[in-house]
Amino acid sequence: QLQLQESGPGLVKPSETLSLTCSVSGGSINRSSFYWGWIRQPPGKGLEWIGTMYFGGSTYSSPSLESRLTISVDTSKNQFFLRLSSVTAADTAVYYCTKGGLLLENWGQGTLVTVSS
Amino acid sequence: DIQMTQSPSSVSASVGDRVTISCRASQGISSWLAWYQLKSGKAPKLLIYAASSLQSGVPSRFSGSGSGTDFTLTISSLQPEDFATYYCQQSNSFPITFGQGTRLEIK
Repeated sequence: QLQLQESGPGLVKPSETLSLTCSVSGGSINRSSFYWGWIRQPPGKGLEWIGTMYFGGSTYSSPSLESRLTISVDTSKNQFFLRLSSVTAADTAVYYCTKGGLLLENWGQGTLVTVSS
Repeated sequence: DIQMTQSPSSVSASVGDRVTISCRASQGISSWLAWYQLKSGKAPKLLIYAASSLQSGVPSRFSGSGSGTDFTLTISSLQPEDFATYYCQQSNSFPITFGQGTRLEIK
């Protein structure tokens, strides 16, 4: 059974870069038909799509985050990554990694990232 | 972008009750709609895809219906483990968009 697990710093300073890792177990990330992505949920608010990477090469990004966003993959470690630059308090949220393109078939448990000095 | 409007924002119900949650898309999305269940500290769970198809392992008390712009999630007989927050999501096109969520609480 495929499992996803987010990891990374729980506290990031304003203007710095938020970096998270999603470790995939129970299946290979190295499949050209697979999509991997990120969703977030600010405290007390709803779900917000961040971006999705198609293993074949394309990346789809939220228009509001596109200029600050990088999603990448390391097949040797069966991991994929989120980098969000120039963060502000508005980026404080629980971040989830997901498998799936337009349909989010599997999710990690989520990790809280707080942006604060 | 396709806007998703979900209602109600919260609902109180008892074990055994039948509950219905609605979701409306700002434009037609055929049957490209999914429903998710979120519980604190747990991985969110896909319940329904393609508006009415039950994801493997999801109890049959969950059902979905609708097409075009109007959709419904129904839980036929609430169980204690169903008290959670539910989100609809359009799976028609990027950018992915969600409804605002419905919090299902114990009465």
